[in-house]
Parts: sequence; structure tokens; C-alpha cells
Amino acid sequence: KAGVTQTPRYLIKTRGQQVTLSCSPISGHRSVSWYQQTPGQGLQFLFEYFSETQRNKGNFPGRFSGRQFSNSRSEMNVSTLELGDSALYLCASSPIAQGTTGELFFGEGSRLTVL
Amino acid sequence: QQQVKQSPQSLIVQKGGISIINCAYENTAFDYFPWYQQFPGKGPALLIAIRPDVSEKKEGRFTISFNKSAKQFSLHIMDSQPGDSATYFCAANDGQNFVFGPGTRLSVLP
Repeated sequence: KAGVTQTPRYLIKTRGQQVTLSCSPISGHRSVSWYQQTPGQGLQFLFEYFSETQRNKGNFPGRFSGRQFSNSRSEMNVSTLELGDSALYLCASSPIAQGTTGELFFGEGSRLTVL
Repeated sequence: QQQVKQSPQSLIVQKGGISIINCAYENTAFDYFPWYQQFPGKGPALLIAIRPDVSEKKEGRFTISFNKSAKQFSLHIMDSQPGDSATYFCAANDGQNFVFGPGTRLSVLP
């Protein structure tokens, strides 16, 4: 069974640009969550999508947005990039919504560098 | 109140030693406490998890100890091996989403 696939794996952008990251969950998983990982901050929750609906959202500015498609694939978008947005963005999928405490299956992440 | 605190930030242990990582929380709504292990270049993967109705859970060399009254839980790695060198995250779930600790970088020296 294929794991969680994230693309692109690495990307470099400049301040003010926007970026779109993609996540393909494990087949059959309906929940997709996004996390920002930075040194010292750990994993900060961005949002969770379940059956195409945003179920929960973390404490990030509106520049961070996401969506989920009918095949459960998800994208997240960051507009007007800032230097502080440089991070590893992790996608995690689960067969059930996070609120029911299921296991999260993480992808390898998309490493974004903002110059 | 949503924060999960984790210590130490980094840990160096000799091969065969015991690695101990501690976490603490405030939100009494948390009812599921997993530990995730992350190797460089990889995403985190579930290692072991516990619910507050038990005080200890053991899986191989990995043990979670849970103290509900103190709102603390810890991961013990017995007979630590160089292959255990990774970053470990504790987490908690309150029925809405997971909250992760900042992570502990473990290095096991051969």
C-alpha cells in the first residue's frame, strides 16, 4: 500500500510569492492534516480536512489556506510568502477524523525555503 | 492550555543505556497520548501510544509511563541502540486534533 505522497519535496521561493503544496493520502484515508515543522517549534497544526470539509484550523494567518478534493487529495497554499514561512510542511492522513484519536500517517514533507 | 511541554530538547545516551523523555500538559480534556519517532528526511511515525486509564504501556524496548494526577507522561527506551537516534515527539489529543511537543533529538553513541 503506497504511503502518503507529498510534492514537491523541495522548493525555493522569494518573499511575496505564493506556493502550492500537494498531498496524496493513503488510499481509503479521508482525513488529511497539514503541519508546519520548524526547529525548536515542533509540529504546529495548520488545518485538517475530512471528506472535503475543513474540520479544524490552527492558529495561522489567513495567508495559509487549503482544500481537499473528492479523491481525498489535498493542497495547501501560502500567499505573500514571508521569510518566517521557511519550514518543512508535513501532510498526514488518517482513515478517520483526528478527533477520534486515530493514528496519523505522515508523508516525508515539502521543504520550503523563502529567500 | 493547548500546549504540550517536552524535555530535554536533546539527549545523548551510550549504547545500552536508558533514554528518558518527559512531557507535561495542562488540558485535562486530552485523552490520548502518542509518541512519534522521526528520522532525518522522513516524516514522523507512530511509535507507541497510551490512554489515561492505564499507568504504563510497554512495547518491546519502549515504555510509556503515565501520571494522570501530575499530568505528565514519559517515554523510556531501554537498551538504547544507535538505530534509535532520531527526534521524538510526544503528542496529545483532546477529541479535536493532535497537539505536539517541540521534540527531543536523541543521539545514541556506539
